[in-house]
Amino acid sequence: QQQVKQSPQSLIVQKGGISIINCAYENTAFDYFPWYQQFPGKGPALLIAIRPDVSEKKEGRFTISFNKSAKQFSLHIMDSQPGDSATYFCAVAGNAGNMLTFGGGTRLMVKP
Amino acid sequence: DADVTQTPRNRITKTGKRIMLECSQTKGHDRMYWYRQDPGLGLRLIYYSFDVKDINKGEISDGYSVSRQAQAKFSLSLESAIPNQTALYFCATSAHNYGYTFGSGTRLTVV
Repeated sequence: QQQVKQSPQSLIVQKGGISIINCAYENTAFDYFPWYQQFPGKGPALLIAIRPDVSEKKEGRFTISFNKSAKQFSLHIMDSQPGDSATYFCAVAGNAGNMLTFGGGTRLMVKP
Repeated sequence: DADVTQTPRNRITKTGKRIMLECSQTKGHDRMYWYRQDPGLGLRLIYYSFDVKDINKGEISDGYSVSRQAQAKFSLSLESAIPNQTALYFCATSAHNYGYTFGSGTRLTVV
């Protein structure tokens, strides 16, 4: 059973555009929703995270939007840059042990 | 030096061979994890350990085993490698909060 579904699998955006990646989850007990960024040859690294008590969190060009009733959250990358080209993973946590369960990943390419 | 170090970075092995992937960390975290990454499937948990005496199976543990030799060391073994174990393998650590630190990965090819 897939606990978190991520879409799209791949995304191509022009430089300066907005990149949007979506995740949907089932378990209402989850209480931590991070996004990880992975560059080729590297491990994933925490990019930004949100708790369900707020609907939006912004850090620079990166924003998480959270819809608790729809059980969905999304990553928005404003003014996308070629250096943002990477694979992005959403994750959820809140079950016993505070362990993360990851989505399937989105490969983002930002064209110059 | 990296906080989480994985060795080897790349490995090609033959079907049926035993292989060990190693992970060491300097974060001082109690919790360590092994994940497997496949295109479109994300990161799937193989095994995890919350302390030296604690080992737990993840969602895809069949065909794998682990050893937690010390707080800082957690190794993953493939007892008899098969081609569908070809993947990118990541070790990660965490404290009791949710922040995970990943290694740079081991690319394993089973031929």
